[in-house]
Amino acid sequence: GNSVTQMEGPVTLSEEAFLTINCTYTATGYPSLFWYVQYPGEGLQLLLKATKADDKGSNKGFEATYRKETTSFHLEKGSVQVSDSAVYFCALSESGSARQLTFGSGTQLTVLP
Amino acid sequence: DAGVTQSPTHLIKTRGQQVTLRCSPKSGHDTVSWYQQALGQGPQFIFQYYEEEERQRGNFPDRFSGHQFPNYSSELNVNALLLGDSALYLCASSLANGGSTTGELFFGEGSRLTVL
Repeated sequence: GNSVTQMEGPVTLSEEAFLTINCTYTATGYPSLFWYVQYPGEGLQLLLKATKADDKGSNKGFEATYRKETTSFHLEKGSVQVSDSAVYFCALSESGSARQLTFGSGTQLTVLP
Repeated sequence: DAGVTQSPTHLIKTRGQQVTLRCSPKSGHDTVSWYQQALGQGPQFIFQYYEEEERQRGNFPDRFSGHQFPNYSSELNVNALLLGDSALYLCASSLANGGSTTGELFFGEGSRLTVL
């Protein structure tokens, strides 16, 4: 079956530090890949997505590249802010449509001023 | 534009009881999915409803059932509650044929269920 493995947290960084959260996946076929973010007291929000190999998703300074050869979709940001503190979830959808998402376990990020 | 709304936000039940959770999708959306998020874990897919029918189901027992109404709102019912059913239950809505938004789910803030 499908699965998503995320870097264990929590992750604590100072403001303006570089962020990488690792994500690898197992899936049959050609899944679409997503990063969702959960800010304190809020629902999950889509951060970025990529639907085919070598696609790069980007939003709010975050980027992730769909690497089929390494089955990875690592999240990066060059300079984090305190407001980026949240839980980040990597996820995949086998069909590419808004059907069944398989999520990783989440990575808690805390950014200190 | 109202987003996805869920009720109740918190509730406490005892083992063996039954619970009903409710969800109103984002305006214009016709598909509702339910997820269970245990503490410290990622959400797990329960099922999805479209056109008032269950379209897809995850690995959850029959104690978990749902319904979608003509106005696209949805209910999640859990019977014979177990301690392990304690979790945050998330509702997500989407468009069945979302075009450029394909793959994007809009989540509510969830209903936190505690089973004692």
